Amino acid sequence: KQEVTQIPAALSVPEGENLVLNCSFTDSAIYNLQWFRQDPGKGLTSLLLIQSSQREQTSGRLNASLDKSSGRSTLYIAASQPGDSATYLCAVLGDYKLSFGAGTTVTVRA
Amino acid sequence: NAGVTQTPKFRVLKTGQSMTLLCAQDMNHEYMYWYRQDPGMGLRLIHYSVGEGTTAKGEVPDGYNVSRLKKQNFLLGLESAAPSQTSVYFCASGYPDRGKGTEAFFGQGTRLTVV
Repeated sequence: KQEVTQIPAALSVPEGENLVLNCSFTDSAIYNLQWFRQDPGKGLTSLLLIQSSQREQTSGRLNASLDKSSGRSTLYIAASQPGDSATYLCAVLGDYKLSFGAGTTVTVRA
Repeated sequence: NAGVTQTPKFRVLKTGQSMTLLCAQDMNHEYMYWYRQDPGMGLRLIHYSVGEGTTAKGEVPDGYNVSRLKKQNFLLGLESAAPSQTSVYFCASGYPDRGKGTEAFFGQGTRLTVV
């Protein structure tokens, strides 16, 4: 069974600091890894998708890396802003199932 | 493009009542999923479908049934609701033509309370 772990569970930083969010998974036989953002009481918004053959993906201030062999992905958010405050979830697509970590809740202090 | 639409958005049920949650997607996706999200538990997979007419159990299927009679719709049924089924339910779809290099999209959720 795929186990997805996200560390840390919560993170509080001052505005302008870079954010580093970690995701690890136990079964390296994945098709892709996706990072999502969830605001309180809302649904999940897709941020980045990394296919299993890729090493990283970038979108604006966001950069995600994938090391499939070691079962790790890292999401970097540069120059954080208060609007980045949210819960960030990673999910891996295995044979048919999309498995989620519990998320990292980020607070960016103004 | 509506994406993934869940109906209803909120519902309060009495213990023992039944209901059906509807998920509709307009992206021609093969795979569809139902998750529940509880505080401290993350997103847990209830049931999923890899194509029209197919369904399979996820991590927490007990007390739920599903059907995928049409490719664009995935229904989640609660036959006899229990307070333990109070949760936020999310539907997701992805992977047109079983192309697994594409992303999954989520609905906005259904907040269900069983009293």
